[in-house]
Amino acid sequence: EVQLVESGGGLVQPGGSLRLSCAASGFTFSDHYIDWVRQAPGKGLEWVSRIRNKANSYTKEYAASVKGRFTISTDESKNSLYLQMNSLQTEDTAVYYCARIISGAYYHDYWGQGTLVTVSS
Amino acid sequence: DIQMTQSPSSLSASVGDTVTITCRASQGISNSLAWFQQKPGKAPKPLIYAASSLQSGVPSKFSGSGSGTDFTLIISSLQPEDFATYYCQQYQSYPLTFGGGTTVEIK
Repeated sequence: EVQLVESGGGLVQPGGSLRLSCAASGFTFSDHYIDWVRQAPGKGLEWVSRIRNKANSYTKEYAASVKGRFTISTDESKNSLYLQMNSLQTEDTAVYYCARIISGAYYHDYWGQGTLVTVSS
Repeated sequence: DIQMTQSPSSLSASVGDTVTITCRASQGISNSLAWFQQKPGKAPKPLIYAASSLQSGVPSKFSGSGSGTDFTLIISSLQPEDFATYYCQQYQSYPLTFGGGTTVEIK
């Protein structure tokens, strides 16, 4: 069974840092692209970042709103995805989801349950 | 960036009704369009990919159509579990973008 489990969310002050994790199971992690998508309280969905699969050298993409502040990475040995978030701003407050991209295509097929990040003083 | 505009933003319907949600892209995206269902406090659930293909396990009461800039999600014979918020998403180009959502409420 495919599972994605996010963790690492919490309360952080503006300007602070946080690292989110997404633990994957039930599939060959290195075969898939994976995204981070976030949702501010009461708002819609916003794509944050993507890491491509091993065959594509784990290359990365970022939304303009987080580029230079957030870093996506992966640890194949742990079947895990990370999002290092620096210089956090109040507008980064959101539930952060990791989502798998189906092999050979570019749409999501599995999402995690999300982890809440609150940026507040 | 490609802007995705959904309409309506909300609608009220009764059990058994058929509802239609539209999504318009600000530029052509071929059929690189997905639809998601989200219930309060839950992660989005993928429903449709490639504009009209059902994700595994999604009932045929959901159907999608369209290509280019105009897309439609139809939900037939609404049941209580279908009352939720629906989002479209384009995956033609970066940044991936979502529509603003359509909340389907019980009349």
